[in-house]
Amino acid sequence: AQTVTQSQPEMSVQEAETVTLSCTYDTSENNYYLFWYKQPPSRQMILVIRQEAYKQQNATENRFSVNFQKAAKSFSLKISDSQLGDTAMYFCAFMEDIITGANSKLTFGKGITLSVRP
Amino acid sequence: KAGVTQTPRYLIKTRGQQVTLSCSPISGHRSVSWYQQTPGQGLQFLFEYFSETQRNKGNFPGRFSGRQFSNSRSEMNVSTLELGDSALYLCASSTDRAGANVLTFGAGSRLTVL
Repeated sequence: AQTVTQSQPEMSVQEAETVTLSCTYDTSENNYYLFWYKQPPSRQMILVIRQEAYKQQNATENRFSVNFQKAAKSFSLKISDSQLGDTAMYFCAFMEDIITGANSKLTFGKGITLSVRP
Repeated sequence: KAGVTQTPRYLIKTRGQQVTLSCSPISGHRSVSWYQQTPGQGLQFLFEYFSETQRNKGNFPGRFSGRQFSNSRSEMNVSTLELGDSALYLCASSTDRAGANVLTFGAGSRLTVL
């Protein structure tokens, strides 16, 4: 079974600065996907970024980028130029790559509450 | 394009009752999965439906069940409610492509059991 660990329960960052959220995971699988989801106070879970384990290049999406270290089983999220709207709970999640079909089962970490200060 | 719609958004029940939650996926999405979110246990996978068949199931008791209709809409049912069933229930839909399905979540149904 896979596990996802987010050891920091809360973080705070000044607007316009950069913050990094940590995530580690454990799996015996070689093919999988990693995700960061954002859940603002409105509760709507929103996909931030996705990383395929077979890709060495780190994924980026505008101000969001990841540092994927497969050997260390580490998957951190960097938010650059933090904005007030980034205030939310952030979840790291793992999905096994089922070659023969689709898969919709995500294993989530406990989440980290990020506050962006004006 | 309309997102994932969950109804009702809020509901209050008492112990022993049952509840049914509804989820309408994004048009064209054939897979619907359900998650339970609580402060103590975090986000946990309940089950997934595709083509009206349960394709995957999490580690929840039989009181939790679901179904999917021919139009891909899904319902989940919890019978004999317990206080611990109080949670945010999230539904997600996705296309059925091998590999990583990108899940699009609804806003959730907040269930309070008294």
